[in-house]
Amino acid sequence: SQQGEEDPQALSIQEGENATMNCSYKTSINNLQWYRQNSGRGLVHLILIRSNEREKHSGRLRVTLDTSKKSSSLLITASRAADTASYFCATDGNTNAGKSTFGDGTTLTVKP
Amino acid sequence: GAGVSQSPSNKVTEKGKDVELRCDPISGHTALYWYRQSLGQGLEFLIYFQGNSAPDKSGLPSDRFSAERTGGSVSTLTIQRTQQEDSAVYLCASSFGLAGMETQYFGPGTRLLVL
Repeated sequence: SQQGEEDPQALSIQEGENATMNCSYKTSINNLQWYRQNSGRGLVHLILIRSNEREKHSGRLRVTLDTSKKSSSLLITASRAADTASYFCATDGNTNAGKSTFGDGTTLTVKP
Repeated sequence: GAGVSQSPSNKVTEKGKDVELRCDPISGHTALYWYRQSLGQGLEFLIYFQGNSAPDKSGLPSDRFSAERTGGSVSTLTIQRTQQEDSAVYLCASSFGLAGMETQYFGPGTRLLVL
């Protein structure tokens, strides 16, 4: 299976609620990145977290990284309808940097 | 340029024809990546360049696929003798510094349809 795997595959919430998505991976990494994609085109970078970091924030986004469990989570607080998109994690292994591996993504639907 | 650009936006071709996809990275970005995304799926890594060199070509699906980068800038992905299973969105990204170490900025993609 792929290096990065998101969980859940799909998530549906009401506007204003928080959304949490998880990513698991298998091998040691240099960094892990979260992306958002709308309508199957144009990935937008959200946050890059390096292997020596545990948590990063950007606006309503919070990313955690637990290298001992080989997992990361993306939390979107106070969700909005505009947050509806697919979210992907991508990892770059420290033995094969450059060969980024993406999971199949979590599809988030935020209902107004 | 302001961002990564790709051309064409859409390409419809007949099975067996060759296609060439172009990527213009952000100026100054030394690393460039190609991915493929089938409908409803995640991104499949194809190849990356550090400068003009491609250290790992193992992600290319078959020998019908090739890529090159010249002048440390523009890259082209060529698919020879296209097959229907090649239909997908082909995405290009670029980043500063060493490949895999920095944020990747994506282009809008080329949607390829092989009839």
